[in-house]
Amino acid sequence: DADVTQTPRNRITKTGKRIMLECSQTKGHDRMYWYRQDPGLGLQLIYYSFDVKDINKGEISDGYSVSRQAQAKFSLSLESAIPNQTALYFCATSDRTVILNQPQHFGDGTRLSIL
Amino acid sequence: EDKVVQSPLSLVVHEGDTVTLNCSYEVTNFRSLLWYKQEKKAPTFLFMLTSSGIEKKSGRLSSILDKKELFSILNITATQTGDSAVYLCAVDPNYGQNFVFGPGTRLSVLP
Repeated sequence: DADVTQTPRNRITKTGKRIMLECSQTKGHDRMYWYRQDPGLGLQLIYYSFDVKDINKGEISDGYSVSRQAQAKFSLSLESAIPNQTALYFCATSDRTVILNQPQHFGDGTRLSIL
Repeated sequence: EDKVVQSPLSLVVHEGDTVTLNCSYEVTNFRSLLWYKQEKKAPTFLFMLTSSGIEKKSGRLSSILDKKELFSILNITATQTGDSAVYLCAVDPNYGQNFVFGPGTRLSVLP
């Protein structure tokens, strides 16, 4: 089984719909992240969470919200989807660190298409 | 604004060739630089670099960092078709809140 599991793997929906992407991990990591990937733009950080009570906005949080339901679960919501949110979405985790940020472990991604 | 630039954006080579991928950065406070390989799915971690001039090596892949000139290179020798992927460079610009990713270099290795 994958250490970082994202559901669904693919989703096609219409403009204005509410969408939830889910992420669960078995790595025991405290830190979880949501990124989107667009062609030619690399990975852009949407939200991140360092523990269950901690939620932080990333560089492109507008139009998105998150919920950290437990240490192992971090979900991303699009309240009213729009076509320019069509992208590949990744969840990632990393271990707690004192000095340096540890490498992130990524899920296999959710391909989201908004018509 | 923190920024990571990679070049080339796309590269096509034949098996057996040696390639060099480049990553340059402008960040407020540098902590580390990471390389990832992304095939069809999740990016997978290759190297983390924190000190200038110290080469990290794993098989045919190696990487080095120059903190004075603000860049890193990733070398792949004797390329194989399995090296075909997008190679991502990421920089940790502060005390651990997020990484800044470059756009990636898409490497295609032809048989």
